[in-house]
Amino acid sequence: AAGVIQSPRHLIKEKRETATLKCYPIPRHDTVYWYQQGPGQDPQFLISFYEKMQSDKGSIPDRFSAQQFSDYHSELNMSSLELGDSALYFCASSLGPMTGFNEQYFGPGTRLTVT
Amino acid sequence: AQKITQTQPGMFVQEKEAVTLDCTYDTSDPSYGLFWYKQPSSGEMIFLIYQGSYDQQNATEGRYSLNFQKARKSANLVISASQLGDSAMYFCAMREGDYGQNFVFGPGTRLSVLP
Repeated sequence: AAGVIQSPRHLIKEKRETATLKCYPIPRHDTVYWYQQGPGQDPQFLISFYEKMQSDKGSIPDRFSAQQFSDYHSELNMSSLELGDSALYFCASSLGPMTGFNEQYFGPGTRLTVT
Repeated sequence: AQKITQTQPGMFVQEKEAVTLDCTYDTSDPSYGLFWYKQPSSGEMIFLIYQGSYDQQNATEGRYSLNFQKARKSANLVISASQLGDSAMYFCAMREGDYGQNFVFGPGTRLSVLP
């Protein structure tokens, strides 16, 4: 079965650079979520999109922005990178909230290292 | 205040034995969902089991069962017949509301299965 695809799987950037992470949800899933998991920490919700509109916002820094495109894939854009942005970034997808039970399927994650 | 509490940072269990991982939650919303995820050392997040707040019966999925005690606000994960491959971090998570999209994760419990 098709799973959530994230690219790249690993990314190394320097401070103050920008990074773009991509997420391709499971086919027919219309909701995408982004999480940040620092070393030894639990995942923290950043932002979610339903039908290409932002649906919920968590602890996403102002330096980050995200969007969902017409094919439901999503991109997380990160600017002015800081050392503290080094983390595993998960994307998850689900059938939208109208299904009532929105189990999230996680991608393999993108490991971002900022040097 | 923490919405999800997992009081066991680490647990050990002998292979083939059963183990219970604790999870308590805090919400005032009458409708919510509780999830357990497994994160092996490879980093991916694997969905294990789901319990809805209105479900009358405890959820079961193969060797996983959820001991749901609503009045106590606890949703403990029981793994029967532990296997070496069960060694991983286990996260309890909660979605509030029928259409809430913000998953809140607990701090996790690291389970080590001993041969």
